[in-house]
Amino acid sequence: AQKVTQAQTEISVVEKEDVTLDCVYETRDTTYYLFWYKQPPSGELVFLIRRNSFDEQNEISGRYSWNFQKSTSSFNFTITASQVVDSAVYFCALSAFNDYKLSFGAGTTVTVRA
Amino acid sequence: DSGVTQTPKHLITATGQRVTLRCSPRSGDLSVYWYQQSLDQGLQFLIQYYNGEERAKGNILERFSAQQFPDLHSELNLSSLELGDSALYFCASSGSSTTDTQYFGPGTRLTVL
Repeated sequence: AQKVTQAQTEISVVEKEDVTLDCVYETRDTTYYLFWYKQPPSGELVFLIRRNSFDEQNEISGRYSWNFQKSTSSFNFTITASQVVDSAVYFCALSAFNDYKLSFGAGTTVTVRA
Repeated sequence: DSGVTQTPKHLITATGQRVTLRCSPRSGDLSVYWYQQSLDQGLQFLIQYYNGEERAKGNILERFSAQQFPDLHSELNLSSLELGDSALYFCASSGSSTTDTQYFGPGTRLTVL
């Protein structure tokens, strides 16, 4: 069974500060996939990034970056120079090879104040 | 816009009633997933269909059922509704592989009074 833990319930920052969201996962599968989704106040779930377990290279995409560390089962996500529009609930999720469902963490509410 | 559509956006009904939620996947996607988001349970996987056939089942109640039609749209049927069924119901779609990313629709907010 898969398990995703997001220990941070809420984070509040001032605009232009960096925000790092923590995610720790558990799985017995050797091949798995990690995701970050964003849920703005309007309610929809928006896909942000994806990382495969066999690729530990960390990347940057615009203001988003992520740090995947297999040794500590962590998949942290950073928003650089946050903006008010980044205010949302962010979910970390995990799926395993041949396990179709996404297992979500409880979510972290990010509030960016102007 | 993910390309996944869900109707209706909001639904208010009474206990004991039956409702149907509809989902149209992104063009070309064969898989449809249903998830429930509630305050106490968070986001939970309910069921998945692939090209018309049930492929995986999660924490779906017996009062709930789903199907995927030949045109690949899917419906989630919720019957004998209880107050605790009030939640946001999401549909997601993906391609043919289990490794494909799931893209979510805007959700249907169900309120049971």
